[in-house]
Amino acid sequence: NAGVTQTPKFQVLKTGQSMTLQCAQDMNHNSMYWYRQDPGMGLRLIYYSASEGTTDKGEVPNGYNVSRLNKREFSLRLESAAPSQTSVYFCASHPNGLYEQYFGPGTRLTVT
Amino acid sequence: QQPVQSPQAVILREGEDAVINCSSSKALYSVHWYRQKHGEAPVFLMILLKGGEQKGHEKISASFNEKKQQSSLYLTASQLSYSGTYFCGTEMWGTSYGKLTFGQGTILTVHP
Repeated sequence: NAGVTQTPKFQVLKTGQSMTLQCAQDMNHNSMYWYRQDPGMGLRLIYYSASEGTTDKGEVPNGYNVSRLNKREFSLRLESAAPSQTSVYFCASHPNGLYEQYFGPGTRLTVT
Repeated sequence: QQPVQSPQAVILREGEDAVINCSSSKALYSVHWYRQKHGEAPVFLMILLKGGEQKGHEKISASFNEKKQQSSLYLTASQLSYSGTYFCGTEMWGTSYGKLTFGQGTILTVHP
């Protein structure tokens, strides 16, 4: 039982490049989330998926797209990376009911 | 809307107590508390429901004042392992179940 996994762990991009951050969970959770974390800003929600086949915008969705490929996988895509997207990205999952969110280890992204 | 945490930072010596507050301007359904060590993912501490429930985990406990839309985290007889950044995550009435909005974090440092 791996919990929530994210790939890659580190990534450096040049401005304008694109990439996809991968997230997978093996706990059969319905909901999945993508956050970005910047110093002094806490965790800000980018997109979330309440169930397979649905996605919704969070607080800071501009510049990102997501895909809920199946119940296990939820990917985050940067179509044209900008330096403002330099951040640590966390994926999380959540079962139905009053339970905690389970976080992946994070992806540290630098855009130069 | 992001909940507001106070204080922004706390420095303690081992054995001292601390209180971290989390306030929201919105009606809350639940409050979650997480702790994050540097370079790691957030780790769940506890969930509090409306009704002023007080939950505890060893020497860490918390309360939720529904009327004030405020939660407080109490750390008693602090240990070196308590050092880290503490986040509250608030779940509001009428939002997608499990969707959290996180505060900006409180940095707790415990010295020997």
